[in-house]
Amino acid sequence: SQQGEEDPQALSIQEGENATMNCSYKTSINNLQWYRQNSGRGLVHLILIRSNEREKHSGRLRVTLDTSKKSSSLLITASRAADTASYFCATVTDSWGKLQFGAGTQVVVTP
Amino acid sequence: DTAVSQTPKYLVTQMGNDKSIKCEQNLGHDTMYWYKQDSKKFLKIMFSYNNKELIINETVPNRFSPKSPDKAHLNLHINSLELGDSAVYFCASSRDTGIYGYTFGSGTRLTVV
Repeated sequence: SQQGEEDPQALSIQEGENATMNCSYKTSINNLQWYRQNSGRGLVHLILIRSNEREKHSGRLRVTLDTSKKSSSLLITASRAADTASYFCATVTDSWGKLQFGAGTQVVVTP
Repeated sequence: DTAVSQTPKYLVTQMGNDKSIKCEQNLGHDTMYWYKQDSKKFLKIMFSYNNKELIINETVPNRFSPKSPDKAHLNLHINSLELGDSAVYFCASSRDTGIYGYTFGSGTRLTVV
């Protein structure tokens, strides 16, 4: 069964706007990770947030984690056309490091 | 230098054939994984090896067999290929088991005809 659910499934914005996507999960986590996948390419790790952390930043990316609501959000500020990709959240819930992915949010940024 | 490299990038084969996908990482990571991405982009773990030892073996048909000759290599062999095996297969590695982010290869698109 799928651990993560992402919302929205698709997002279309103009360059310069902010993009926010949400991820909800079902069971307690060790950490939660966000990945980007450009069309036809592999996944690129963006940010890892641990279960005892509430917010992390990396460049134009901001990730929040609310373990009481079992949810996380990824904010991309001042989006660029190059941010067009699918974004996935993934959780680690065991000591073996098994990453369980959500279905992804497809983001299209138009110039 | 490519961190996680998979070969081949594309694989088209007939039902019933046996095929292998190779993966190599030059990051010095201890743990390697195989993931399958279906046509709806859903990613599911198949196997994981830590220092050549199998640590995750999800419910996949036993036609799929991973092999890790050393901690830098993890290969995937598939016997008696079926139409439903068509997908993109990703290899990944991480410095430890889930404490750090993964580094993914660029994927192998397998098409069974």
